[in-house]
Amino acid sequence: EVQLVESGGGLVQPGGSLRLSCGVSTFTFSTYWMHWVRQAPGEGLVWVSGINSDGSYTSYADSVKGRFTISRDNAKNTLYLQMNSLRAEDTAVYYCVRDAARPGGLDVWGQGTTVTVSS
Amino acid sequence: DIQMTQSPSTLSASVGDRVTITCRASQSISSWLAWYQQKPGKAPKFLIYKASSLESGVPSRFSGSGSGTEFTLTISSLQPDDFATYYCLQYNSYPWTFGQGTKVEVK
Repeated sequence: EVQLVESGGGLVQPGGSLRLSCGVSTFTFSTYWMHWVRQAPGEGLVWVSGINSDGSYTSYADSVKGRFTISRDNAKNTLYLQMNSLRAEDTAVYYCVRDAARPGGLDVWGQGTTVTVSS
Repeated sequence: DIQMTQSPSTLSASVGDRVTITCRASQSISSWLAWYQQKPGKAPKFLIYKASSLESGVPSRFSGSGSGTEFTLTISSLQPDDFATYYCLQYNSYPWTFGQGTKVEVK
């Protein structure tokens, strides 16, 4: 079974930083684009960022551009999200998601890791 | 950015009902639309891709249709396990955007 396991969430003060990780097993990580999607408490899903298979292309939602950085280490089968200058509105469950590549969409989701930004 | 508008926001239905959820895009996205089901405290489940293709293992009572700017998700006969929130996702162009969700609740 394909598995994505996020880690690194927690409580952080406004203005602080956090790095999320997503470990991958049972599929060839280096051939897939990957994404982060978040969901604030009681709210809907929001796409945050995506990265291509070799890490040479990235894209971000306007709300996180300049503060968050997506990256990957294909040798370690791990996806990252470095989050800086965190704000209360970044509080959410963050999901690591595999991109099935066209024609598919986001096909495999991790269980999510919770980030809480509060003083 | 492409805006995705789902309707209705909430839908009250009974087991056995035919249920239809609509998703409208602010500009054409061809057929690059996916549908997801989410239950409380769980990660979303992938249902449909490219507007009308059923993901492997998803029951055939789920179907999708549409292209361009208007899309629908239909559940032909609602089952107890289908009470959940449903989201559409456009993946035509970045930034990818989700609809705001449709909660299917017990009537």
